[in-house]
Amino acid sequence: EAGVTQSPTHLIKTRGQQATLRCSPISGHTSVYWYQQALGLGLQFLLWYDEGEERNRGNFPPRFSGRQFPNYSSELNVNALELEDSALYLCASIYGYTFGSGTRLTVV
Amino acid sequence: RKEVEQDPGPFNVPEGATVAFNCTYSNSASQSFFWYRQDCRKEPKLLMSVYSSGNEDGRFTAQLNRASQYISLLIRDSKLSDSATYLCVVNVNRGSTLGRLYFGRGTQLTVWP
Repeated sequence: EAGVTQSPTHLIKTRGQQATLRCSPISGHTSVYWYQQALGLGLQFLLWYDEGEERNRGNFPPRFSGRQFPNYSSELNVNALELEDSALYLCASIYGYTFGSGTRLTVV
Repeated sequence: RKEVEQDPGPFNVPEGATVAFNCTYSNSASQSFFWYRQDCRKEPKLLMSVYSSGNEDGRFTAQLNRASQYISLLIRDSKLSDSATYLCVVNVNRGSTLGRLYFGRGTQLTVWP
């Protein structure tokens, strides 16, 4: 059984640009959870999608958004990138029990 | 006040040592409790769930004290491969917290030969 897959592994953007991160949950699982792990900080909950709908959202500004597709894969979009958005972005399946290997976003 | 607080360490112990990590949580409505392990620049991986009765998995023992809102992890006979950051995780799963886990910042462990 394939695990949670994320792409790209690394992403470098300049301030003000947009970033798109992708995630595919474990096959057959309908939920996707997004977390941000900034350097020196714990994982912070970003978004939860289930059955194509946004179910819950963490304390992040609206420029963090996403969507879930009919095949349950998901995109996280970060608009108007700021330096402090540099972090490891993790996607999880099964209520956070299984994480993908993450996308490391660097904003310069 | 943060939902989950951990001693960040670092803990540096020799192989074979016993080491204990502690964690406190602020929300008395918390329902589920976990320890995760995170290796450097890798994703977190579930180590074990924590139950009120306490539970053991090989060299690892987890305890939960709901009255004190306190969670612990004990590692016996430490191995070099135990070197990692250990994350205390709590779930409330009610109302606005539905679907989210709360992570501590982690306790760093280094086991030396």
